[in-house]
Amino acid sequence: IAGITQAPTSQILAAGRRMTLRCTQDMRHNAMYWYRQDLGLGLRLIHYSNTAGTTGKGEVPDGYSVSRANTDDFPLTLASAVPSQTSVYFCASSPTGALNEQFFGPGTRLTVL
Amino acid sequence: AQSVAQPEDQVNVAEGNPLTVKCTYSVSGNPYLFWYVQYPNRGLQFLLKYITGDNLVKGSYGFEAEFNKSQTSFHLKKPSALVSDSALYFCAVRGSQTGANNLFFGTGTRLTVIP
Repeated sequence: IAGITQAPTSQILAAGRRMTLRCTQDMRHNAMYWYRQDLGLGLRLIHYSNTAGTTGKGEVPDGYSVSRANTDDFPLTLASAVPSQTSVYFCASSPTGALNEQFFGPGTRLTVL
Repeated sequence: AQSVAQPEDQVNVAEGNPLTVKCTYSVSGNPYLFWYVQYPNRGLQFLLKYITGDNLVKGSYGFEAEFNKSQTSFHLKKPSALVSDSALYFCAVRGSQTGANNLFFGTGTRLTVIP
C-alpha cells in the first residue's frame, strides 16, 4: 500500500541520548517535511526538503537535523535529546508545488525523560 | 507572516445536525487554505483545499468549506453530522517563506458528534 511509514511508533528516551526518527515514502514525492505536534500548539514545521539533496529549516529547527540522501527517505535526528522535545512527530510528503496537499505518516510518539 | 486561528477548542453537535468548524486566517498575498482531519492515533488526512475560484469548496466525506475573503474565514461545514465524523480538525494556510512549501496549522478543534 502506497504511503508514508514512520519508525519507531513510540520511544522513551533518556535526556542527552541521540535518536533518529525514520520516515520513508513510496509515492515518489519530491517534497518532505517533519512536524511536531504539541497540545494547544497544533503542528509546527521542524525541517523540510523540497527535493533529494536539499533541506531547509522550518519554524522550530533547533536541536534537530535532517538529511535527504534519496527521494524516499527523510530521517530526523535529535543529537542530544532534551525533555522539551517530548512530542508527537509527523513526517509528511507532497508532490512538487505549493498548492499540493501533504500526505502524513502515522507519527512517532517520543518521550524524553 | 501567516497564521490561522481556530477559535473553538471543542465543538459538540448532535448526529444528523449540520456542523461548522471555524477558521480565520492571516496571510500576505493569496491565501491557500487547507483542512485536515486527525483520527485518534493516526496521522492527518487531507479533506479539502481552497486555491482560487469558487468560494465553496467540496471535499472528502461530504465536507465542504466556504472561503470568505472579506471576513478572512474558511469555515468547514457538513450538512448532516455522523458519529464517525468525531475527530480533531485542523485548518492550515500555506506558508509564504521562500522555498518552503510548508503549511501553518491552527491549534485544532475537537469535534464530537453525539448519537
